[in-house]
Amino acid sequence: GAGVSQSPSNKVTEKGKDVELRCDPISGHTALYWYRQRLGQGLEFLIYFQGNSAPDKSGLPSDRFSAERTGESVSTLTIQRTQQEDSAVYLCASRLRVGQETQYFGPGTRLLVL
Amino acid sequence: QKEVEQDPGPLSVPEGAIVSLNCTYSNSAFQYFMWYRQYSRKGPELLMYTYSSGNKEDGRFTAQVDKSSKYISLFIRDSQPSDSATYLCASHFPNTDKLIFGTGTRLQVFP
Repeated sequence: GAGVSQSPSNKVTEKGKDVELRCDPISGHTALYWYRQRLGQGLEFLIYFQGNSAPDKSGLPSDRFSAERTGESVSTLTIQRTQQEDSAVYLCASRLRVGQETQYFGPGTRLLVL
Repeated sequence: QKEVEQDPGPLSVPEGAIVSLNCTYSNSAFQYFMWYRQYSRKGPELLMYTYSSGNKEDGRFTAQVDKSSKYISLFIRDSQPSDSATYLCASHFPNTDKLIFGTGTRLQVFP
């Protein structure tokens, strides 16, 4: 596809369950970001992948959160033992290369933890 | 204090009005500033990108940065109903590629 895609678009889960969120970046984009957007709040940086470098995980809120990226393609954000405060929109963005200013965002995954 | 502060609105204006959206930031090391537009249930899209102080114009949109007061603004001229969206300001953490966002201002332009 032409843009960043994310799946699922919506996810409802029970507290304590694990969830996996998927991001397909724009082909050829070396940088990939995950953000969290809580209702009424700005985007919160979670993790950043750049090529084959070690990811910047400094924004992950707890060890229940992890993410992987296969080469310069798909990324998966995993939240283990979900809590109600994890309810948010999780946004993925990709960028062609470091220094190129535009991050292209996907539509997000809306996660609701009951 | 949040590093980037933004009035959440909502801001409601009639079609054709000039809109002023504003953010303040606390980290004097911030140099790059961005405005993103986010339609409902969509991801943000980059609208304007500026470096350091000054103005940048693109069609009906003007971005302004005043580093002396740590104030950034987005002006929309001849606003249209299609401009109704949430507008997020953002900046880079110094020496990183991580963006820090304001909370966003929801704008509604009514016909």
